[in-house]
Amino acid sequence: DAGVIQSPRHEVTEMGQEVTLRCKPISGHDYLFWYRQTMMRGLELLIYFNNNVPIDDSGMPEDRFSAKMPNASFSTLKIQPSEPRDSAVYFCASSRGRAFNEQFFGPGTRLTVL
Amino acid sequence: AQKVTQAQTEISVVEKEDVTLDCVYETRDTTYYLFWYKQPPSGELVFLIRRNSFDEQNEISGRYSWNFQKSTSSFNFTITASQVVDSAVYFCALNYGGSQGNLIFGKGTKLSVKP
Repeated sequence: DAGVIQSPRHEVTEMGQEVTLRCKPISGHDYLFWYRQTMMRGLELLIYFNNNVPIDDSGMPEDRFSAKMPNASFSTLKIQPSEPRDSAVYFCASSRGRAFNEQFFGPGTRLTVL
Repeated sequence: AQKVTQAQTEISVVEKEDVTLDCVYETRDTTYYLFWYKQPPSGELVFLIRRNSFDEQNEISGRYSWNFQKSTSSFNFTITASQVVDSAVYFCALNYGGSQGNLIFGKGTKLSVKP
């Protein structure tokens, strides 16, 4: 079975550019989570969805960040405009049934903003 | 406030040694869940265990064991007879708020197992 798929795996961009990160959750999972990992702040939950509906976006750092889940098999995290401090590894995870169930993580997208 | 503390930033052991990774959590909720995840050098996080606040039984899975003590708000992880493949960053995490998906991670403990 395919796990959580994220693309791209690596992204290098210049400050001010728009960045879109993509995630395909495991089929049948109804929860989807976006996390950010940095050395300074560790792993932080940005937003999560249940049945394609955003439930908690209190971790989204600012208005430059937005996330969508147009259907059960696809989600995007967009940063516009990007800044050097957005450089991090962004993980997508999915789970089934309950928000507190085991989360399956994707391989992450390493974002570098120059 | 909800918080997870992993006081050990890095641990280095020699293969076959036993090692315990500490995790202390804070929450005012009576219903919560505790997790351990492993992040090997490849970067992907791998689920190891979930424990709910009403189940204080210790758990053993092969060389891995977990000790959950509500009295000290701790959920420690022990690897018996460590192996080089155990080298990774290990994260303890707390889910609070009942059915909410708010997972809070500790800063992680980097374990290096040398041959």
